[in-house]
This record gives sequence, structure tokens and C-alpha cells, in this order.
Amino acid sequence: QITLKESGPTLVTPTQTLTLTCTFSGFSLSTSGVGVGWIRQPPGKALEWLALIYWDDDKRYRPSLKSRLTITKDTSKNQVVLTMTNMDPVDTATYFCTYRPPYTKWFDPWGQGTLVTVSS
Amino acid sequence: QSALTQPASVSGSPGQSITISCTGTSSDVGGYNYVSWYQQHPGKAPKLMIYDVSNRPSGVSNRFSGSKSGNTASLTISGLQAEDEADYYCNSYTTSSTLPYVFGTGTKVTVL
Repeated sequence: QITLKESGPTLVTPTQTLTLTCTFSGFSLSTSGVGVGWIRQPPGKALEWLALIYWDDDKRYRPSLKSRLTITKDTSKNQVVLTMTNMDPVDTATYFCTYRPPYTKWFDPWGQGTLVTVSS
Repeated sequence: QSALTQPASVSGSPGQSITISCTGTSSDVGGYNYVSWYQQHPGKAPKLMIYDVSNRPSGVSNRFSGSKSGNTASLTISGLQAEDEADYYCNSYTTSSTLPYVFGTGTKVTVL
């Protein structure tokens, strides 16, 4: 059974750097073709892709946020970390991580999500 | 990379069928058979309902079906039930080399 869980601060102040951790079980990020993605959802709004990391350490970022995002993996700890710099109130959202099965183009399952509020 | 276009809301009575459209371009929906659909109940994580345009994961009701024509994909829910009331999002693989996936704008399904 594959599970993922997001963790990190629930409140950050503007200009701070956000660090979120996705801890997973049931698969290895060293398995060929596997990927883990980060998606966010502002309150009442749509899902939005942020970043992806693949088994071979290939990384992809949302173009409009690329300068602020870094995604890394720690295969030994079964974790994927997303950092976002210079946080702004518009970054207030629920942040989800999700699993991409080997060589597929879909994502399942998802973590429960973590709400991050940006406020002074 | 613009979001795929979905209707903001669709409604139907119990037992009826409804269809949600997801319109993109030849660079995403029209270019690949890699459209997936996700159901999201309030306060919950999205759940995969359809993958690769028309395939249902194990455990998903056969009342859910997917199709595609040109640059538009569709999700049909037949025999609408109260538990189907949720938000639905399409997602497509794209030609973008920066981030090769894009979500739809989301559709709120209401069971009358």
C-alpha cells in the first residue's frame, strides 16, 4: 500500500522560506520510472502544479515559480522536500504531494495535504 | 502554460447522466492520450477516477467513464448519486519541457 504525507509549518510570515516534506511508504524513489509531484490549491480555487522529481533526479518546475522553487529527494529516508522562497500571502494554499507510478502519466495516491497560511 | 478549460458547474438529478468537458489544445489534450480525471470532496485530497482518457482504476465505479475528441476530453457520470457531488479536475500531459502536466479549471458537480 502506497501512502504519502505532507509536513511542514502551518504559518509562515511574508518573505520567509517555506520548507515542506513529503514522507512516503510503499515505493522507492530509486525505482525506474517513478515520480513524486507537488501541487497546491489556494482556498476555493483550482489545483496548480508546482514541481516534479523523477527517479533519475530529473526535476521540473512551474515556469512562473521556477526561481522560487527547489525540489529534492532523499531516497534513503523516503522523502521529497519542496522549498519555496520569498513567501507571499497569495501563496496561502493547501499543498499536496502525489505519486506517479512507473512510466505512467497519472498520479495516485495523494497525500492528505497541508494548509500553509502566509501572514504577518 | 494555461489551465485546461472546464465548466465551472454542472448539475443533475439522482439517476441522471452528466458530462464534464475539458478543453485544451493540440499541445496537451489533443496531442496525447494522457488525460486523467480526479474527484475531490471538500477538505479531502483528490482521488484518481480515470487515467489515460478512458481507463478506470480498480475500485472506481463503472458509472464513471472518459472519452476524448480532438482537443476536448470528457468525463461522464451515469446514474448520478448524492456521493458524486464533488469537484472534478482534468489533468493532461503536455509538450512543455518545463513542467509537462496541466490541470483543468475544475468543475463543481451538484446533485439536485
